[in-house]
Amino acid sequence: ETGVTQTPRHLVMGMTNKKSLKCEQHLGHNAMYWYKQSAKKPLELMFVYNFKEQTENNSVPSRFSPECPNSSHLFLHLHTLQPEDSALYLCASSPRFGITGQPQHFGDGTRLSIL
Amino acid sequence: DQQVKQNSPSLSVQEGRISILNCDYTNSMFDYFLWYKKYPAEGPTFLISISSIKDKNEDGRFTVFLNKSAKHLSLHIVPSQPGDSAVYFCAGNQFYFGTGTSLTVIP
Repeated sequence: ETGVTQTPRHLVMGMTNKKSLKCEQHLGHNAMYWYKQSAKKPLELMFVYNFKEQTENNSVPSRFSPECPNSSHLFLHLHTLQPEDSALYLCASSPRFGITGQPQHFGDGTRLSIL
Repeated sequence: DQQVKQNSPSLSVQEGRISILNCDYTNSMFDYFLWYKKYPAEGPTFLISISSIKDKNEDGRFTVFLNKSAKHLSLHIVPSQPGDSAVYFCAGNQFYFGTGTSLTVIP
């Protein structure tokens, strides 16, 4: 029981498809994050939401579109992805954004494969 | 530019012995370092952290040492147990992660 639930766990899609990743946290946290983990690379921060407002976008291509309707839910909308976008996508949350020593709570990730 | 580096992709240790996982960083402005553990098919879970104003933090079998002059930190696990077999990530502040070290503890 991680407190952060991601669905689906696995997703295979073609380059022209549109799909969405979902993240839900039951921890009462106010900050939520999307990360990308590619093989043999460090976790890359993609987006940060704090109290439902996007505070960070780390030069992520527009084919990735985040949405945060409330502090408990986070979506990542995907469209016209490229093969290099195949990776593990992790969602995380923390009580607040900007506290440097504050651990994040991660979901188990969505393994995305682009055909 | 990778600000946190874990240069050893893997490490094998006998059960009961000490495991030492290393991490180097380049950004002297980091004021916290965190270690996470990740089992296969699960997300990372927080293990232990250290403030940059300290040189050691201990929590049970886990101790993290920080050497600011060398920009180096290490995680010591004593004694190592088979359940410690996982990938360990070092992170600077909240968002700057290393590539991880896969630890295997051999029974």
